Amino acid sequence: NAGVTQTPKFQVLKTGQSMTLQCAQDMNHEYMSWYRQDPGMGLRLIHYSVGAGITDQGEVPNGYNVSRSTTEDFPLRLLSAAPSQTSVYFCASSFGGEQFFGPGTRLTVL
Amino acid sequence: KQEVTQIPAALSVPEGENLVLNCSFTDSAIYNLQWFRQDPGKGLTSLLLIQSSQREQTSGRLNASLDKSSGRSTLYIAASQPGDSATYLCAVRRNNDMRFGAGTRLTVKP
Repeated sequence: NAGVTQTPKFQVLKTGQSMTLQCAQDMNHEYMSWYRQDPGMGLRLIHYSVGAGITDQGEVPNGYNVSRSTTEDFPLRLLSAAPSQTSVYFCASSFGGEQFFGPGTRLTVL
Repeated sequence: KQEVTQIPAALSVPEGENLVLNCSFTDSAIYNLQWFRQDPGKGLTSLLLIQSSQREQTSGRLNASLDKSSGRSTLYIAASQPGDSATYLCAVRRNNDMRFGAGTRLTVKP
C-alpha cells in the first residue's frame, strides 16, 4: 500500500512552459485535492475532486487545470507557467474526513 | 471566509516539558479539524482528527481538544522529546473546503 504518490519530486520550468504534476493513490479514496504551500503561509486549496469525472475549484484555482478520469489518478496541469507558481505542491486523498498527503513536488518557475 | 490562525509561529522548549499549541478559526460551522506534523522538506503526517461532534482526541502523548463555539483547538504534547521537533499545522474542513493555519514551528532542545 503506497498511499499517495507524487511525481516528479523536483521540477524547474521556464516562464510560459507547460507541465503536469502527477498524483496517484491506491486507497480507493473518492476525494482528492491539490494544495500549494508558500513560505509563511498555510496550504491553500487549488482544486479538488469528489470522484471520477467530478472536479471543482478551491481557493486559488487560477492558472491550473485538473481532470479525474479514474479514482486513482488526479493530475494537475500548468498550461503556461508563471514565476508566481513557484511553490511546493501537495496532493491529498481523503476518507471519512481524514486527509492523507503525498510527499510533495517542489516547482521553480524561472 | 474561514481564517485559521496558529499562535505562536515558533516555540522552543527544553526536552521533557509539556506544551500546548493553539489553533483558532473564525467560522464555527466546521465538519472537522485535523492536526498535522510536517518535517522539513517532507509532506504532512496526520496526527489527530476531531469530528465536529467531538471534544477531544488522544493518541499516545498527544491530546487535541476542540471548542467550536469559541473557534479554538489546542494540541497538547506531553513530555516533549527532540524527535517532536517539526512544524505543526491545523486545518479545518467545511464541506469540501479545507483551510490551513500557517503552522507552529516547534524545537525541542535536548
